[in-house]
Amino acid sequence: DQQVKQNSPSLSVQEGRISILNCDYTNSMFDYFLWYKKYPAEGPTFLISISSIKDKNEDGRFTVFLNKSAKHLSLHIVPSQPGDSAVYFCAASDQAGTALIFGKGTTLSVSS
Amino acid sequence: DTEVTQTPKHLVMGMTNKKSLKCEQHMGHRAMYWYKQKAKKPPELMFVYSYEKLSINESVPSRFSPECPNSSLLNLHLHALQPEDSALYLCASSQDVDSGDTQYFGPGTRLTVL
Repeated sequence: DQQVKQNSPSLSVQEGRISILNCDYTNSMFDYFLWYKKYPAEGPTFLISISSIKDKNEDGRFTVFLNKSAKHLSLHIVPSQPGDSAVYFCAASDQAGTALIFGKGTTLSVSS
Repeated sequence: DTEVTQTPKHLVMGMTNKKSLKCEQHMGHRAMYWYKQKAKKPPELMFVYSYEKLSINESVPSRFSPECPNSSLLNLHLHALQPEDSALYLCASSQDVDSGDTQYFGPGTRLTVL
């Protein structure tokens, strides 16, 4: 049973537009969420995180929104750049968790 | 220094070989992790070390043997691997084994078993 789901395997966006990547989770005990970005043949790079006491966290072009009642979070990238093209993983942990549970990833392609 | 380093970057080994993967961090983190990632899949947790002690083994076959010689180093010893073990092996570290601790990943070792 997948506890963290990224239902869109891929997303294509034009440069300068907004990219919205979505993530749903099923475990109500999750209280910390992260987004990682991964280029081919490299390890995941931490992007941005949010704890369950917040509903929004912003860092430059990246904003993560958390809707606890819907068990849904999203990553907004504005404006999107070609260098943002990568696989984006959503991850979650709970208070007892010792590691992260990852979604399957969404491949973002930003065209110029 | 906010970096996790891993060596080697690439490793090709036969099924009878013995090799080791190395991971190092100098951020003072007390938790270190090994993940295995197959192509187009999310990383899967293998082992967790907390304060140099193995705290989690996610039912990993004994042909993978982790070792934490000190708080900065984490090794993964490989012996008698199978071709299906070919994958990207990622090391990560965090301040502590606790919710809310961001895990920082190394670049990974691309392992091919022939």
